[in-house]
Amino acid sequence: GDSVTQMEGPVTLSEEAFLTINCTYTATGYPSLFWYVQYPGEGLQLLLKATKADDKGSNKGFEATYRKETTSFHLEKGSVQVSDSAVYFCALTENQGGKLIFGQGTELSVKP
Amino acid sequence: ETGVTQTPRHLVMGMTNKKSLKCEQHLGHNAMYWYKQSAKKPLELMFVYNFKEQTENNSVPSRFSPECPNSSHLFLHLHTLQPEDSALYLCASSQVGAYNSPLHFGNGTRLTVT
Repeated sequence: GDSVTQMEGPVTLSEEAFLTINCTYTATGYPSLFWYVQYPGEGLQLLLKATKADDKGSNKGFEATYRKETTSFHLEKGSVQVSDSAVYFCALTENQGGKLIFGQGTELSVKP
Repeated sequence: ETGVTQTPRHLVMGMTNKKSLKCEQHLGHNAMYWYKQSAKKPLELMFVYNFKEQTENNSVPSRFSPECPNSSHLFLHLHTLQPEDSALYLCASSQVGAYNSPLHFGNGTRLTVT
């Protein structure tokens, strides 16, 4: 079945450092890919998405490119802030608007 | 009020209690979901409802009983739970069939079973 694998956390960075969180997926068809973020005490919020190969999703300085050849959707940010500290989830769906399959989440901690 | 609202935010219950979690979406979506988030584990999809009909039950124990009276409301009835059921329960909604429609989540109910 479909699955998503993320790099293990926690990831600890200093403010203004470069961030990469790796995400790879397994799917039978052509999924849409998402990154969600969860701040402490809150639910999940959509961060960015991409629906087809070579699409780049971006939001709030974060970017991820849908790479079909490597089945990857790595999350990047050029300069992280303390306020970016959260848990990040990579996810996919094969049904438009349907259920999501999530990775295990990667906790990011940014120190001043 | 907009988005997906879950109540209560926190719930502590004994193993013999009966309680219910409530979720309401104000987005006009046609599908609703229950996910379970436990520490150190991936999010687990529990139930899916499309147009008020249950379309997925991922081998969830019968002590969890969902109810979807209309496309805007979703409940999760709880009875005789176990301590390992303590977790964050997240409700979500989406527009199935709509291109580029992601899931929208509520803030969850933090459940503690004593």
